[in-house]
Amino acid sequence: KAGVTQTPRYLIKTRGQQVTLSCSPISGHRSVSWYQQTPGQGLQFLFEYFSETQRNKGNFPGRFSGRQFSNSRSEMNVSTLELGDSALYLCASSREGGTIYEQYFGPGTRLTVT
Amino acid sequence: GESVGLHLPTLSVQEGDNSIINCAYSNSASDYFIWYKQESGKGPQFIIDIRSNMDKRQGQRVTVLLNKTVKHLSLQIAATQPGDSAVYFCAEGSGYSTLTFGKGTMLLVSP
Repeated sequence: KAGVTQTPRYLIKTRGQQVTLSCSPISGHRSVSWYQQTPGQGLQFLFEYFSETQRNKGNFPGRFSGRQFSNSRSEMNVSTLELGDSALYLCASSREGGTIYEQYFGPGTRLTVT
Repeated sequence: GESVGLHLPTLSVQEGDNSIINCAYSNSASDYFIWYKQESGKGPQFIIDIRSNMDKRQGQRVTVLLNKTVKHLSLQIAATQPGDSAVYFCAEGSGYSTLTFGKGTMLLVSP
């Protein structure tokens, strides 16, 4: 069974630009969660999508948004990029979300904002 | 690539030693706890989990201990190997809530 895939793996953007990251969950998984990971703040939850609906949301500004498609693939978008948005963005999928089933992480997208 | 291990507490051990990584969790309502391992350049990988109705669970070379009285979780790795070198995170949650991750501990294993 293929794991969680994320594209692109690396990205360099300039302040003020916007970026879209993609996540393909494991087949059969309906929940996709996104996390931002930085050396200073660790792993911080962005949002979770389940059956195309945002079910949970972390404490991030509205510049961070996401969506989920009918095939469970998910995208996240960051608009008006700031230097502080440089981070590893991880997505994780699970069958139902929450703590009922195990979450599987993708390798992440390394975003650098210059 | 940039290490996720900057600014993290570090545990250095010799190959063959037993390692103990500790984690203090914050929410007394959490009923599910997980340990993840993250190697450089990779996403976190599930190691072992435990429910709040248990105080110990064993896997292959790993044991997780849960002390709900003091909200403390530990991961014991037996006969630590160089391949165990990574950042280890604990996470807590309940029901359909999202997981809350700890800051992580870097484990360095010397041959």
